[in-house]
Amino acid sequence: GQNIDQPTEMTATEGAIVQINCTYQTSGFNGLFWYQQHAGEAPTFLSYNVLDGLEEKGRFSSFLSRSKGYSYLLLKELQMKDSASYLCAVMDSNYQLIWGAGTKLIIKP
Amino acid sequence: IAGITQAPTSQILAAGRRMTLRCTQDMRHNAMYWYRQDLGLGLRLIHYSNTAGTTGKGEVPDGYSVSRANTDDFPLTLASAVPSQTSVYFCASRQGNTGELFFGEGSRLTVL
Repeated sequence: GQNIDQPTEMTATEGAIVQINCTYQTSGFNGLFWYQQHAGEAPTFLSYNVLDGLEEKGRFSSFLSRSKGYSYLLLKELQMKDSASYLCAVMDSNYQLIWGAGTKLIIKP
Repeated sequence: IAGITQAPTSQILAAGRRMTLRCTQDMRHNAMYWYRQDLGLGLRLIHYSNTAGTTGKGEVPDGYSVSRANTDDFPLTLASAVPSQTSVYFCASRQGNTGELFFGEGSRLTVL
């Protein structure tokens, strides 16, 4: 079966760095997405990785290792507004997205 | 402002009633999707449409139907609502098979 695993909840301090991991087992691979979802709102796109390596976009970076079925989202200089759920999703061989349950990130002052 | 509009935002519904959730996008995206999101679970695909005139079943299609008469509209119908259909429903769209998904603001449905 297809499976996406990510931690349920993480806590970090304002100004610090946090890494949210995602491991996956899917039928084929056509890329991995990270989305941010604030409580009561719609998910919004953060990043897309299809090749191995690190993609940096401001305070957020996303890493992919296809051979290990592994990705992480790195958030630097954490701000209170970064408190949200972070969703990992893999696009399978049929170009359908398989979603993880999301990681709720709590930022403390 | 370009994007996806869902209606209603929130609805309480008696079991057995018929309900249609509306979704309209003005980005001219080919592909549209309906997901449900429940606490502790990932987004689950209900139905999708790769282009106007075609639809397909996702992971949890039972009890739901969709239609895609044109590019912009993709309504989701619950023929006879049951309490297990209490959820937050998101409509999404993207251009082609590999682009990022754009989501509507969601419709919170409670079936009593």
